[in-house]
Amino acid sequence: KAGVTQTPRYLIKTRGQQVTLSCSPISGHRSVSWYQQTPGQGLQFLFEYFSETQRNKGNFPGRFSGRQFSNSRSEMNVSTLELGDSALYLCASSLGQGMGNEQFFGPGTRLTVL
Amino acid sequence: AQSVSQHNHHVILSEAASLELGCNYSYGGTVNLFWYVQYPGQHLQLLLKYFSGDPLVKGIKGFEAEFIKSKFSFNLRKPSVQWSDTAEYFCAVNVPGRRALTFGSGTRLQVQP
Repeated sequence: KAGVTQTPRYLIKTRGQQVTLSCSPISGHRSVSWYQQTPGQGLQFLFEYFSETQRNKGNFPGRFSGRQFSNSRSEMNVSTLELGDSALYLCASSLGQGMGNEQFFGPGTRLTVL
Repeated sequence: AQSVSQHNHHVILSEAASLELGCNYSYGGTVNLFWYVQYPGQHLQLLLKYFSGDPLVKGIKGFEAEFIKSKFSFNLRKPSVQWSDTAEYFCAVNVPGRRALTFGSGTRLQVQP
């Protein structure tokens, strides 16, 4: 069974630009969560989607948004990029609500903002 | 909101040494507990998890963890480490019904041959 895939794997943007990251969950998984990993703040939860609806949201500004499609694929968007948005963005998928909460992580997209 | 503390930021051990990594959480209710590992250049992988039942949990690659409710702790142990255990280890919690994980800051383990 294929794992969680994320595209692109690496991205370089400049301040003020916007970026869209993509995540394809494991086949059959309906829940997708996004995390930001930085050396200073560690791993922080961004948001979670289930059945195309945002279920939970972390403490990030409105510049960070996401969506989920009917095939469970998810995208996250960051607008008006800042230097501090440079991070590894991780996507995790799980079967769904009440299914043990185990999340399987993808390899991440490394975003560098110049 | 819950929080997780990992007090050991960087641990250096020789092969065959025993390992114990500390994890304490702060939350008044029921929690699910996890240990994840991130090998160099690889993605996060689940080592073990605790939801309920026996507080001593066995995971992959010879790792185990013990949930001590009175101490709000979930320490990770391995009796004899190998060079291949060099990685970063993250303790995480969530609450039943919510997948959002709260992670600790991580412990970088370096095993010297």
